[in-house]
Amino acid sequence: DARVTQTPRDKVTEMGQEVTMRCQPILGHNTVFWYRQTMMQGLELLAYFRNRAPLDDSGMPKDRFSAEMPDATLATLKIQPSEPRDSAVYFCASGLGSPRETQYFGPGTRLLVL
Amino acid sequence: QKEVEQNSGPLSVPEGAIASLNCTYSDRVSQSFFWYRQYSGKSPELIMSIYSNGDKEDGRFTAQLNKASQYVSLLIRDSQPSDSATYLCAVDYGNKLVFGAGTILRVKS
Repeated sequence: DARVTQTPRDKVTEMGQEVTMRCQPILGHNTVFWYRQTMMQGLELLAYFRNRAPLDDSGMPKDRFSAEMPDATLATLKIQPSEPRDSAVYFCASGLGSPRETQYFGPGTRLLVL
Repeated sequence: QKEVEQNSGPLSVPEGAIASLNCTYSDRVSQSFFWYRQYSGKSPELIMSIYSNGDKEDGRFTAQLNKASQYVSLLIRDSQPSDSATYLCAVDYGNKLVFGAGTILRVKS
């Protein structure tokens, strides 16, 4: 049963600390998305990659967030330094081709920044 | 600003009834529309996609699209308590999906 995996599932950290979230897309999927979900803003696209190349990161605060795909089996999202307003659930999703193809979501990383 | 609007609910329906969920979007050029279901504490999962005007049926679910009115809806027939979840409407705005805030559905047995 192919699934997107994310680690860690939960993360509590203090303001100013670096946070790294990891995602393993479904094998063979060439598109990876990072979303952030909060009660206030809902589900927002932060960045997405196709064939490991970043195509859109316009939703990501550039000063503190960075996203990379070191290889086809790993995507990372880093926040440095973290702030309390970054507290949210971060989802990774993968798919084939364009964003309009089915996106398969991982279980999410629940981040709390104190 | 590319927007997707949904009534946040909660929408409460009795078991066995039809649940009707609605979504409007701001950009006429959008071509692809999706409904995702999200259980509390879980990740979204795709339940329906629709690309052409009219109705598309899949089991108890029917998606309806009216591009002229910029309106997409989801009907759930014979609603079950297991359908209780948040339903997210998503619209393809060219290079990305924009999600609505979601409608909470509660099916009461």
